[in-house]
Amino acid sequence: EVRLVESGGGLVQSGGSLRLSCVGSGFSFSRYWMSWVRQAPGKGLEWVAKIKEDGSEKHYVDSVEGRFTVSRDNTKNSVFLHMSSLRDEDTAVYYCATLRGFSGNDCFDYWGQGAQVTVSS
Amino acid sequence: DIQMTQSPSTLSASVGDTVTITCRASQRISNYLAWYQQRPGKAPKLLIYKASNLENGVPSRFSGSASGTEFTLTISSLQPDDFATYYCQQYNTDLFTFGQGTKLDIK
Repeated sequence: EVRLVESGGGLVQSGGSLRLSCVGSGFSFSRYWMSWVRQAPGKGLEWVAKIKEDGSEKHYVDSVEGRFTVSRDNTKNSVFLHMSSLRDEDTAVYYCATLRGFSGNDCFDYWGQGAQVTVSS
Repeated sequence: DIQMTQSPSTLSASVGDTVTITCRASQRISNYLAWYQQRPGKAPKLLIYKASNLENGVPSRFSGSASGTEFTLTISSLQPDDFATYYCQQYNTDLFTFGQGTKLDIK
């Protein structure tokens, strides 16, 4: 059974930093692109970032470019989202998700349960 | 960036009804379009990929179609579990975008 488990969420002050982690199991983690998707309270889904299987390629939504960094450690079946210069509008539930195929352009077939990030000014 | 315009934003229907949700892309996306279902407090669930392909384990009452830059999700014979929010997502480019969502509620 595929499982994705996020951790590291919490309350942080505006301008602060936080690191989210996601551990995958039940699949060949190192063969898949991984991604982060967020959802602000009462709002829709927003794709945030994605990272290639070997970490050599990364892409970000414009609103987080230069503030967030996605990374991974395949030896620990983990993907991370380092968030800095946090703003009120970054408050959201953050999901990690697997890309369905072996391409960087694919949909999300497995999702974690989400981690709550609250930015307080 | 590619914009995805989803409609309607809310939809009321009854058990047994057939409903259609539409998503329009601001440019061609070569059918790289997925549909998700999200229940309150839960993670999204993939229903349809590549515009019309049913994900494993998803009931056949869900179907997707495409015509140019317009995509539709049809749910036939609505069941109680189907009342949820639905999102489309394009993945034709390196930067993904979602539609705004359609909340399907019980009439």
